[in-house]
Amino acid sequence: DADVTQTPRNRITKTGKRIMLECSQTKGHDRMYWYRQDPGLGLRLIYYSFDVKDINKGEISDGYSVSRQAQAKFSLSLESAIPNQTALYFCATSEGGMNTEAFFGQGTRLTVV
Amino acid sequence: GQNIDQPTEMTATEGAIVQINCTYQTSGFNGLFWYQQHAGEAPTFLSYNVLDGLEEKGRFSSFLSRSKGYSYLLLKELQMKDSASYLCAVPNDYKLSFGAGTTVTVRA
Repeated sequence: DADVTQTPRNRITKTGKRIMLECSQTKGHDRMYWYRQDPGLGLRLIYYSFDVKDINKGEISDGYSVSRQAQAKFSLSLESAIPNQTALYFCATSEGGMNTEAFFGQGTRLTVV
Repeated sequence: GQNIDQPTEMTATEGAIVQINCTYQTSGFNGLFWYQQHAGEAPTFLSYNVLDGLEEKGRFSSFLSRSKGYSYLLLKELQMKDSASYLCAVPNDYKLSFGAGTTVTVRA
């Protein structure tokens, strides 16, 4: 089994719908992150969490929210999906600061129509 | 903040060598990462450089010059499975900032 698991792997949703992407990890890491990836733009940070009680906005948090349900679980919600949120979304974990290796989930390909 | 530049695409022949350059501008330096990402898959760690010089790890090597804000990833004895995107990333205190990635295509 993967150390960082994302569900669903693929999702098509309609504009205006609420959708949740889930991430769970077995690495035992406190730090978790949500990134989105768009062609030509690289990975951009949406939200990050250093522990269950710590949630922080990243570069592009507008239109997104997160919930850290437990050390191992970090979910990303799109409150009202719009087409420009069509992207590949990655969850990641790290043991310490970001000068330590990050471990990524397999990604969720989200299409908003 | 960080400004990270790397070429968009490179093509090379199986068995050859390819060098992927990365230049960065950062307000505080905490090392530089290279990740490999096959199409539609998760990025995976390749290397981390914090001191100047060359670090070799099998067919892959990574070089850093902090004074020049420059790094490169060297892929030797290219194999078809090396066709992927290679991401240069620089950490600041809470996140990794990524370049847009270099897509390497290996041809027979």
